[in-house]
Amino acid sequence: AQKVTQAQTEISVVEKEDVTLDCVYETRDTTYYLFWYKQPPSGELVFLIRRNSFDEQNEISGRYSWNFQKSTSSFNFTITASQVVDSAVYFCALSEPTGANNLFFGTGTRLTVIP
Amino acid sequence: NAGVTQTPKFQVLKTGQSMTLQCAQDMNHNSMYWYRQDPGMGLRLIYYSASEGTTDKGEVPNGYNVSRLNKREFSLRLESAAPSQTSVYFCASSRDSSGPQHFGDGTRLSIL
Repeated sequence: AQKVTQAQTEISVVEKEDVTLDCVYETRDTTYYLFWYKQPPSGELVFLIRRNSFDEQNEISGRYSWNFQKSTSSFNFTITASQVVDSAVYFCALSEPTGANNLFFGTGTRLTVIP
Repeated sequence: NAGVTQTPKFQVLKTGQSMTLQCAQDMNHNSMYWYRQDPGMGLRLIYYSASEGTTDKGEVPNGYNVSRLNKREFSLRLESAAPSQTSVYFCASSRDSSGPQHFGDGTRLSIL
């Protein structure tokens, strides 16, 4: 069965610090997708990134970077030089491309960036 | 803005009342989804529609029904609301079964 674990329930950092959000997943499939979503205090869900299981290259987008390691079933998310606007709940999710494309979400990590 | 639109944004119901949550997307996506978000549990899939004319149960379908009215619209109905259905409901759509899902702003539903 598919499962996504975000062990960090809440994290607080001071502005400009770097922070890494952990995500560990379980799946029996060899083909799958991993996602990160951001949910700011306003409540909407914002898509950040999708990775497929065959692409283990790390990705960087501005202050955001993602580290995908199949060997440890992890897909961690790092924010460099955090800003107050980064304060949000971040969700990691897993889906398989066949059938429903159901997203299996972790329970989320609440990040608070203190000015 | 283009995207996924949910109505209403907030609703309070009494136990036993019925209600339909509306969702529409203007991205010409084939697949649509309904999730519920409860504290500490992430989002869980209620129903989905892989394409126009099809619907299937997700992880937590009990107490709900859905209708894929056309390619744009996917509604969620509570026939007899229960306090356990108090939650935030999100509609999402994706181009196909491999595409990322784009979410609406959510409907906060309270059942007394």
